[in-house]
Amino acid sequence: ILNVEQSPQSLHVQEGDSTNFTCSFPSSNFYALHWYRWETAKSPEALFVMTLNGDEKKKGRISATLNTKEGYSYLYIKGSQPEDSATYLCAFNSGTYKYIFGTGTRLKVLA
Amino acid sequence: DTGVSQDPRHKITKRGQNVTFRCDPISEHNRLYWYRQTLGQGPEFLTYFQNEAQLEKSRLLSDRFSAERPKGSFSTLEIQRTEQGDSAMYLCASSPDRGGLPSEDNEQFFGPGTRLTVL
Repeated sequence: ILNVEQSPQSLHVQEGDSTNFTCSFPSSNFYALHWYRWETAKSPEALFVMTLNGDEKKKGRISATLNTKEGYSYLYIKGSQPEDSATYLCAFNSGTYKYIFGTGTRLKVLA
Repeated sequence: DTGVSQDPRHKITKRGQNVTFRCDPISEHNRLYWYRQTLGQGPEFLTYFQNEAQLEKSRLLSDRFSAERPKGSFSTLEIQRTEQGDSAMYLCASSPDRGGLPSEDNEQFFGPGTRLTVL
């Protein structure tokens, strides 16, 4: 059974703080790791697709790293803003049509 | 095209009733996915269509669930004889089929979901 875990489950940070979350996934049969942001009452939005060990991707104040050998990815948010409040999901893909999602990290940025 | 749409956004039904949800993917996308998300969990894969062909179906999809994509465009998900445990958010996603490694070019685009409550 493939298991994808995310930590922490939730966190509150102050506006301006930087923060990071972890996604752990099976290190075998790795094909791709996806990050999504899901704001309340909206559709999940794709942030990054990561495929190669050592990948680092950045979009504005958000960046992500990938370690396929040890099976983890970090998502970083620099200088958190209230609009960053959302659930951040990672999804593991082993090359099939099936994506295995983690339970998400719920971030609340306090103004 | 403004993205993936789902209808209805909310559905309240009584146990034992049948419900049907619709998903309209982005028009040029030939891959379509259904997921279910229950409280405190991430989205769980239910089924996958390549054009009109249903290529994979999760064991989560009991015989009360059926999904179709008759013309390779919109898709429907029907739940018969609903149970309280079916209460969840049902998400649809679509993606193009450009082959090769996953990339931003063939990423999944999600709809807003249909929230089902079974009383």
